[in-house]
Amino acid sequence: KAGVTQTPRYLIKTRGQQVTLSCSPISGHRSVSWYQQTPGQGLQFLFEYFSETQRNKGNFPGRFSGRQFSNSRSEMNVSTLELGDSALYLCASSPAEGSTGELFFGEGSRLTVL
Amino acid sequence: KQEVTQIPAALSVPEGENLVLNCSFTDSAIYNLQWFRQDPGKGLTSLLLIQSSQREQTSGRLNASLDKSSGRSTLYIAASQPGDSATYLCAVRQREYGNKLVFGAGTILRVKS
Repeated sequence: KAGVTQTPRYLIKTRGQQVTLSCSPISGHRSVSWYQQTPGQGLQFLFEYFSETQRNKGNFPGRFSGRQFSNSRSEMNVSTLELGDSALYLCASSPAEGSTGELFFGEGSRLTVL
Repeated sequence: KQEVTQIPAALSVPEGENLVLNCSFTDSAIYNLQWFRQDPGKGLTSLLLIQSSQREQTSGRLNASLDKSSGRSTLYIAASQPGDSATYLCAVRQREYGNKLVFGAGTILRVKS
């Protein structure tokens, strides 16, 4: 069974640009959540999607947005990139919203903003 | 607001030693607690999940305990090996926040051969 797949794995952007990251959850999983990991702030929750609806949102500016498609694949978008957006962006999938099961993470997308 | 603390921040031990990693959380109203391992530059690998009603979970050389009332969890690693070197993270989930995890900062473990 394939795990959580994130693309691209690495990308470099310049300030002011925008970026879109993609996450394909484990087959059958309908909940996708996104996290940002930086050396200074650690792992922070961005948002969670279930059945194409955003269920929870973390404390990030509106430049960070996401969506989920009918096949449960999710994308997140960051507009007007800032240097501080350089981070490892991790996606996690779970069978259901607010389930008691484990969350499974992908390998992440490492974004560098120059 | 839930806060998760992990002690120690870093740990270096010789191969073969048994060791304990600590995790504490401020709000005991958790749904469950999950331990992860992260290798440099990689994603998170789930190690153990403990539901709020459970006291411990075991997988191979790993044993995790949970004392919800005191807001503490420990991860015990028996007979450590160099391959155990990684960052270990604990995270808690609260029912009202769906699948949102609140993470600790992690413990960086180095096992010397």
